[in-house]
Amino acid sequence: GENVEQHPSTLSVQEGDSAVIKCTYSDSASNYFPWYKQELGKRPQLIIDIRSNVGEKKDQRIAVTLNKTAKHFSLHITETQPEDSAVYFCAASRNSGYALNFGKGTSLLVTP
Amino acid sequence: NAGVTQTPKFQVLKTGQSMTLQCAQDMNHNSMYWYRQDPGMGLRLIYYSASEGTTDKGEVPNGYNVSRLNKREFSLRLESAAPSQTSVYFCASSGSTGVTGYTFGSGTRLTVV
Repeated sequence: GENVEQHPSTLSVQEGDSAVIKCTYSDSASNYFPWYKQELGKRPQLIIDIRSNVGEKKDQRIAVTLNKTAKHFSLHITETQPEDSAVYFCAASRNSGYALNFGKGTSLLVTP
Repeated sequence: NAGVTQTPKFQVLKTGQSMTLQCAQDMNHNSMYWYRQDPGMGLRLIYYSASEGTTDKGEVPNGYNVSRLNKREFSLRLESAAPSQTSVYFCASSGSTGVTGYTFGSGTRLTVV
């Protein structure tokens, strides 16, 4: 089955700096790659996703890049703010019929 | 529009007791899922239902059973709870498996003593 590795497990940055979280996946048939943000004590929420026919997608301060050849994808957060502090999960899946497989998460701390 | 509703929010069980976690969605989604979240382990799939009438095992199905009661409801049952099942359980739904994002419920924090 699909195996999703996520790095780093913890990340601390200063407010205004950029943060990058990287994920690799094992199943070359995977073609959907979402990212979720989970604040302490709350449910995961989808923040951005990308499909395999797209190499990069951006939404304000958040961007995701995908390299299908190398089987890795990354989340980039620019101009970080304290409210970006949370646990971020990457995930991957094939087409219809398969559930998402999640990475183990990255705990991001943005210090003022 | 409630989204995905899970009950209960908290539960303490004794080893060997049984219970059912309830999940309902009002978004007309076809697919529903149960995950467990443990510290440092991320979200691990227990069971999922790609569509009404179907269920499939995920990564960690042992000790659990599920029922897709109708399109809206997907329940998770622990027949004989064990301390290893202490976890936070999340139900989620999506329009279809694999190609659309999930909407998660608020979670059930289960402690087995």
